[in-house]
Amino acid sequence: KQEVTQIPAALSVPEGENLVLNCSFTDSAIYNLQWFRQDPGKGLTSLLLIQSSQREQTSGRLNASLDKSSGRSTLYIAASQPGDSATYLCGTLNTNAGKSTFGDGTTLTVKP
Amino acid sequence: GAVVSQHPSRVICKSGTSVKIECRSLDFQATTMFWYRQFPKKSLMLMATSNEGSKATYEQGVEKDKFLINHASLTLSTLTVTSAHPEDSSFYICSARDMRAEAFFGQGTRLTVV
Repeated sequence: KQEVTQIPAALSVPEGENLVLNCSFTDSAIYNLQWFRQDPGKGLTSLLLIQSSQREQTSGRLNASLDKSSGRSTLYIAASQPGDSATYLCGTLNTNAGKSTFGDGTTLTVKP
Repeated sequence: GAVVSQHPSRVICKSGTSVKIECRSLDFQATTMFWYRQFPKKSLMLMATSNEGSKATYEQGVEKDKFLINHASLTLSTLTVTSAHPEDSSFYICSARDMRAEAFFGQGTRLTVV
C-alpha cells in the first residue's frame, strides 16, 4: 500500500528566501506525481504534474523534481512571497488500482 | 488547466436531513470522478470512485447507503449525505482527471450538521 510522507509538517520563512518542500513515497509504481496548493477552507489547486518518465517540471518560481527510484520528490520555491503562504500537498497516482495517495501536506508561512 | 466546480461551498443542515453536493467538470468529460473527505490538518481520505453510468465503488468502511453517489453524465457527479449526523460534519472534495491524468479538484464543501 502506497504511503506518502511530507516533511516538515510546517515551515516558516522570511520573505525572499528560497525553500524546498519534501515528499517521499514508498511504492515507485506510479503513473505520475502532482504538487498542489491548498488555501484554508478551499480545494486543491494543481501546481505541477510530473509524469513517471520525467525528472522535473518548472512553472514560474516553482520547480518540482522526481526521483522515482528513491521514492522522492521536491518542490523548490524561489524568492518566496507572503502570497505563497498555504498548505502544499503532494500526491501520487499509483499504477496499482489506479488510485491516488496524498501526503498530509506542509503548511508554509512566508513572513513579510 | 481544467476546471472542476463544486457546489455548495458551505452548507448547514439539521440532523436527520439529507444534503446533496454537486461536482461538475466544466471543460472536459470525466468518466470517473473521486470523492474525498478531509479532516483538519490531515490529508484526503478517498471515500468512493464515481463511475459514469454505473455504480460507484466505495472504499472500505464507507457506508454506501449513507453516502449516495450518482454519476449520471460525463460532467456531473453528485454526493448525497443521507440522514446526516453531527459526525458527518467535515470538508468534502471532489476530483477528476483529464486526458493527461492530471487531477483537478473542486472548491470543496464544508458540511456542518447541527
